[in-house]
Formats: sequence, C-alpha cells, structure tokens
Amino acid sequence: GAVVSQHPSRVICKSGTSVKIECRSLDFQATTMFWYRQFPKKSLMLMATSNEGSKATYEQGVEKDKFLINHASLTLSTLTVTSAHPEDSSFYICSARDRAGGNEQYFGPGTRLTVT
Amino acid sequence: QKEVEQNSGPLSVPEGAIASLNCTYSDRGSQSFFWYRQYSGKSPELIMSIYSNGDKEDGRFTAQLNKASQYVSLLIRDSQPSDSATYLCAVIPGGYQKVTFGTGTKLQVIP
Repeated sequence: GAVVSQHPSRVICKSGTSVKIECRSLDFQATTMFWYRQFPKKSLMLMATSNEGSKATYEQGVEKDKFLINHASLTLSTLTVTSAHPEDSSFYICSARDRAGGNEQYFGPGTRLTVT
Repeated sequence: QKEVEQNSGPLSVPEGAIASLNCTYSDRGSQSFFWYRQYSGKSPELIMSIYSNGDKEDGRFTAQLNKASQYVSLLIRDSQPSDSATYLCAVIPGGYQKVTFGTGTKLQVIP
C-alpha cells in the first residue's frame, strides 16, 4: 500500500515553455501533498504544501506564479512549471500523506526536468 | 542551530556489521519521527516511523527515540551492500504539519 505515482518520470523542454507534472496517490486518499525539488547531491527543498480544495502554501522564495499547484481531488495534485528556464532544471518529487493514516509521507518516484 | 542535524558521512561499515545512524533535533515539542532511505538519483523511501520513546524494530532495522535527549537513531543489523544509500532523518516539529528533513547521512557498506 501507500503508493504514489508521478508522471512524467523524465521530461526535456525548451526555455519559455510550460511543463505539467502529475502526482497521484494510487491506493489512498491524500488530503495533503507536498512538492519538493532536489539538486544533485543536495538536500530536499520543500517548495509548497498542497491541501485538497484549497490554495497551496508556498515556502519563502518560491514563486507561486511560476510554480502553479493544483490539488483538485484527494488523489491528484499537479505542479506546472511556467515559462521554464534552464535554472529550473532539477529533480521534482511529490509526497502525499494518507488521510486515514498517521503523519507518514510517501514519496513519488520523482520527475527529472531538463530545460534546454 | 539546524532543526534536524545529521552527520553527512560517509559512514563506512563492513558487510554484516551493524550500521548506526544518528540524528538530533531542536524542537522539544516534536512528536513524529521518520527515517527515509534515498538511493542516488531516486526519491526517498520510508523505512520507519516512530512516535514513542524507546525502540521500534522492523526486520533488520531498529529505530530508537529519546525525546529527553532530542535524539533519534537508526540501527541496521547485518548490513548489506544494497543498504548503501543516503539515510534521511525527518521530524515534524510541534504544531506543524510539514516535515523537516536532515541533510542525510551517506552509508557505504563495504563487501
């Protein structure tokens, strides 16, 4: 149980385009989902916390107009990187907390974004 | 002071030995504690959660929590080369819903 999927696993896009990443909880309902990014050999950096049916809470320094988060259902959250730049290239990982469980967060497999 | 502190390592142990990974945290009101394993290029995988003082065992893994000392550890018995990864300690500070991660300890199990 507690499986989280992400799609796509890998994406290459051109500067100026937008990319959407989907995060799904497959076998549980997630009232809260989290979006992280991670640069090579660096720590996880929380970008935003997403609660179903409400606006995401962004961490300091994360541009909400650039990283659009939608959490429309209890099993799906999306992150859209708008007007992508090469410096947005990173490993984006979502996690989800089981509505019926404890405080554990289960991570998706991640999406590697490369902006050319 | 960092909220969650871990030695970055690498911690090298021979195959079959016990690996001991340590973590300290600053918020005395923290109630939830987790250990994640992250292989290079992959996302974190939950190994253990612990909420009460004492030991919690799951297979070769034992998590230990001491709230008075604000200390949580992970023991890996009979270490295998496949255990080589970065281990992340994670804590939910009191009154918050988001997890604070340590920077991780890199473990190398030498065959």
